Amino acid sequence: AQSVTQPDIHITVSEGASLELRCNYSYGATPYLFWYVQSPGQGLQLLLKYFSGDTLVQGIKGFEAEFKRSQSSFNLRKPSVHWSDAAEYFCAVAGTGANNLFFGTGTRLTVIP
Amino acid sequence: EAQVTQNPRYLITVTGKKLTVTCSQNMNHEYMSWYRQDPGLGLRQIYYSMNVEVTDKGDVPEGYKVSRKEKRNFPLILESPSPNQTSLYFCASSSDYNEQFFGPGTRLTVL
Repeated sequence: AQSVTQPDIHITVSEGASLELRCNYSYGATPYLFWYVQSPGQGLQLLLKYFSGDTLVQGIKGFEAEFKRSQSSFNLRKPSVHWSDAAEYFCAVAGTGANNLFFGTGTRLTVIP
Repeated sequence: EAQVTQNPRYLITVTGKKLTVTCSQNMNHEYMSWYRQDPGLGLRQIYYSMNVEVTDKGDVPEGYKVSRKEKRNFPLILESPSPNQTSLYFCASSSDYNEQFFGPGTRLTVL
């Protein structure tokens, strides 16, 4: 069965600092992987996705993620965080139908000035 | 503007009173689904639909019904709501193995 683990419930970083949010997945075949962001009171917005090919994927808002099959990981990174990046971030893996998303429990990001 | 809309955005109801949350998308997507979001649990899929008249259970379907009579609409029905269905609900749609577009969410409280 598919599953996603986001080991960090809450992360606090200073504005301008680098960011890495961890995501580990469990899936038997080549996964489809996603990162979504949810701002307070909002729906979910796709940051980036990995289906195949280059293991380093670029997304919106300056985010990137790297797929590492050997570690079953898909960590999200940003070199310099902005105050507007404060939000909750969800990693997700697609199931057998590829439209059936399994979400992690989320990581809440706080950005301090 | 391409979007997924949900109504109502907020709803407070009482145990056992049937309710429907509507979901509509204007992108001609085949695939639609419903999720619920609970603190510490992330989002869990309730039901999904691959196309008109094709629906299937997700991870937490108990207590919910759906229908897909038209491509653009995918209502979520709670025939006898209970307090454990108090949650934040999201509808989503996508065209294929691609980005799921999420609605703004419906916050439901069942007293």
